[in-house]
Amino acid sequence: AQSVTQLGSHVSVSEGALVLLRCNYSSSVPPYLFWYVQYPNQGLQLLLKYTSAATLVKGINGFEAEFKKSETSFHLTKPSAHMSDAAEYFCAVTHRSSGNTGKLIFGQGTTLQVKP
Amino acid sequence: DAMVIQNPRYQVTQFGKPVTLSCSQTLNHNVMYWYQQKSSQAPKLLFHYYDKDFNNEADTPDNFQSRRPNTSFCFLDIRSPGLGDAAMYLCAASRDRSSYEQYFGPGTRLTVT
Repeated sequence: AQSVTQLGSHVSVSEGALVLLRCNYSSSVPPYLFWYVQYPNQGLQLLLKYTSAATLVKGINGFEAEFKKSETSFHLTKPSAHMSDAAEYFCAVTHRSSGNTGKLIFGQGTTLQVKP
Repeated sequence: DAMVIQNPRYQVTQFGKPVTLSCSQTLNHNVMYWYQQKSSQAPKLLFHYYDKDFNNEADTPDNFQSRRPNTSFCFLDIRSPGLGDAAMYLCAASRDRSSYEQYFGPGTRLTVT
């Protein structure tokens, strides 16, 4: 079975400060990992994904994440927060194996607040 | 430009009155998914279609059904909505089950009165 834990349901940073959103996963098979962003009353937009290539993944809007197998982590970072980054962020896991449906298992989400 | 379209964006229905939510995609992708997202919770997969092959999640209530008449369209039918079915319903499309990148629509927010 797979699962995702996002540490911290709410994160608040000042504009221009580092953004760090934490995600730990559990998977008995090599995982594929994703970060999605959701703005109020909107669908989910893919920020970046890890699919067993480079462990440091760069995404849109200046975000990046590093896959650390030893720590079972896939934390999301951005060097300098912008007001427009305020949103809900979801980490998700799936895996590639025979019969897998592509079902995404989501973490509970982290609300990012950016203060002026 | 839109890739996954959901209509309507907001739907109000009465307790027990059947309702249908629709989703279409311009990506020509093989797989379509329906997720339910309740307030302040993570999305939860209800079912998916791989081409015409329907795959139900084990814990999806029988009250929820789906139809996919062609590649582009997929419908979510709620036969007898209860107050607990009020949620955002998200549709997603993926090229196939091996690519795993899912493109989401904007969602339909369902209110049950």
